[in-house]
Amino acid sequence: DAKTTQPNSMESNEEEPVHLPCNHSTISGTDYIHWYRQLPSQGPEYVIHGLTSNVNNRMASLAIAEDRKSSTLILHRATLRDAAVYYCIPVSAGNMLTFGGGTRLMVKP
Amino acid sequence: KAGVTQTPRYLIKTRGQQVTLSCSPISGHRSVSWYQQTPGQGLQFLFEYFSETQRNKGNFPGRFSGRQFSNSRSEMNVSTLELGDSALYLCASSLNAGATDTQYFGPGTRLTVL
Repeated sequence: DAKTTQPNSMESNEEEPVHLPCNHSTISGTDYIHWYRQLPSQGPEYVIHGLTSNVNNRMASLAIAEDRKSSTLILHRATLRDAAVYYCIPVSAGNMLTFGGGTRLMVKP
Repeated sequence: KAGVTQTPRYLIKTRGQQVTLSCSPISGHRSVSWYQQTPGQGLQFLFEYFSETQRNKGNFPGRFSGRQFSNSRSEMNVSTLELGDSALYLCASSLNAGATDTQYFGPGTRLTVL
């Protein structure tokens, strides 16, 4: 499995954009990059995933570097509800999720 | 559509006992996987079941086992409990096998071993 490096924690102000970086320099060419988040006292929830192109959904955007060695999850306007641990996970076909330490996002009102 | 449900939500056991946890996946999902979450080790994959067959297994001792029924519901069992088994046990379901399909997690079962 590809190793990932994420900041342990980040802080943001409410209603401002947040960029959560992830380094996955050993990713293989066919691994998808998945992002999950875990809100306090809940199970993880899916946020977004992509392979090569940038992706958008109602929750977030995912920007993938051209060499695929890094990606950035973008929350366009952070809310208090977005305070969670965010996990960046390269996923190979047939394998399961390998969670790293993630980034704890704190949102200040 | 109802989400993934896990029962019980909380459980207290003593060392040496065994425990069975249950997971009901989202209707139509055929894959169920289990994860253990502890403060020290984070989230770790236990095993995955698809169509009643174990497809993948994580690096856990044989005391941890599971099964899946024909209705896709799954149970995991931990025998001879140790203090270190205290954790949040999460299950996730998906339509197809493997994690390339979106995983939908339940709220977890909090197991405390005394």
